Formats: sequence, structure tokens, C-alpha cells
Amino acid sequence: QVQLQESGPGLVKPSQTLSLTCTVSGGSISSGGYYWSWIRQHPGKGLEWIGYIYYSGSTHYNPSLKSRVTISVDTSKNQFSLKLSSVTAADTAVYYCAREVVNDAFDIWGQGTMVTVSS
Amino acid sequence: DIQMTQSPSTLSASVGDRVTITCRASQSISSWLAWYQQKPGKAPKLLIYKASSLESGVPSRFSGSGSGTEFTLTISSLQPDDFATYYCQQYKSYSWTFGQGTKVEIK
Repeated sequence: QVQLQESGPGLVKPSQTLSLTCTVSGGSISSGGYYWSWIRQHPGKGLEWIGYIYYSGSTHYNPSLKSRVTISVDTSKNQFSLKLSSVTAADTAVYYCAREVVNDAFDIWGQGTMVTVSS
Repeated sequence: DIQMTQSPSTLSASVGDRVTITCRASQSISSWLAWYQQKPGKAPKLLIYKASSLESGVPSRFSGSGSGTEFTLTISSLQPDDFATYYCQQYKSYSWTFGQGTKVEIK
């Protein structure tokens, strides 16, 4: 079955760029029918959708983060990635990658990775 | 953005109880609503999509109902594995938004 796994640094300095990668296994990211998303959860808080990418490269971002977010896809590696620039302590969170059925819910999630922004 | 408000924020219940969680949207979202269960340190798990469709593999004691702006998640007979936090999420209109969560605790 399809599995997602996040990877990347657990500690990022303020003002730098947070970079995470999600590796998809058990299925092809190019198969269509799915958006590949990033979602975050601040410590002890609720969930915040960051944005998604389709295998073709089309994206949609949360307007509250749009100026700092870039999501890209590498179909040859079956991966998609998140870059969040100019981070502050407010970006400290658990970051999840997830598969979203087009026009439907998030049906598969990665285990999540904690990213702390601190000097 | 569409705001999603869940009630209650915390619910204390016993094994075997019937439990109902409510989610209200700030504007109509038709049936574009999902419910997730999250346990500490784990990723959310999809339970219900399109307001009332049960995700494959999810026990039938979970059910969802509603449309427009008011939705409910019902657990017909609470089991020990069900103590967790539950979130609703709308996908009618960008940006996708989640409720603040309802924690189901042991009474």
C-alpha cells in the first residue's frame, strides 16, 4: 500500500529556509487523481494546511503562507518537497505530508516530522 | 477562509457510551467534510469523507451526518481504542481548514 515518509532537518535557524522532502512508496506520484500536500501542526494545537502540488506541477498554497512557500515535485524520484523561507519561531511545528484525493479528503499521511526554529 | 468550529472541545465518556461531536462551518460547504482521528504522537487518520462516507477499514461504530453548515460525528459505542482527538476538515473552498479538535477522554 502507499506510504509517505517525511525527511529533513529537525532544527532550522531563524530567517533561514525550512526544507522537507516526502518520499512516496508503494505507488506512483504520477498516477494522477491525487494532490500531494503539506500540513503542519503547532505543538499542542490544531492542523494547518500549507498547500499541495499535482504531479503535473500545478500548485495551490494557503494564502497566509503563500509568500514564503514553494512546493515542488520530482516524479523521477517519486518525491515532493516543501520549502518555507524566512522562518521564525512561529514556524516550529510537526510537518506532515499527505495524499489528498482530488476533490476529497486526505486519505494517507506520513508519520510527521518535528521542525524546531531556533538559533 | 471558511471557519470550522467544533464542540465540545473536550468530552469525558465511558466505554460503551454513545458519543456525538459537532462541527459547524461559517458558510455552507455542502457535504465537503471529513473527520479524522489523531492519537498522541501520531498522524491523523481519515475516518469519514463527504460528510457520511466511511473510509475503508474504519469500524462501523463511526458514522457521520449533516450537510450545509452543521455536521456530526457519532461513535455508537465507545471503545478503549477510541480515546483520541477528533478533527473535522472542510474541502469546499480554499484554503482547506480544520476544526480546533475535540479530545475524547476517559471518564
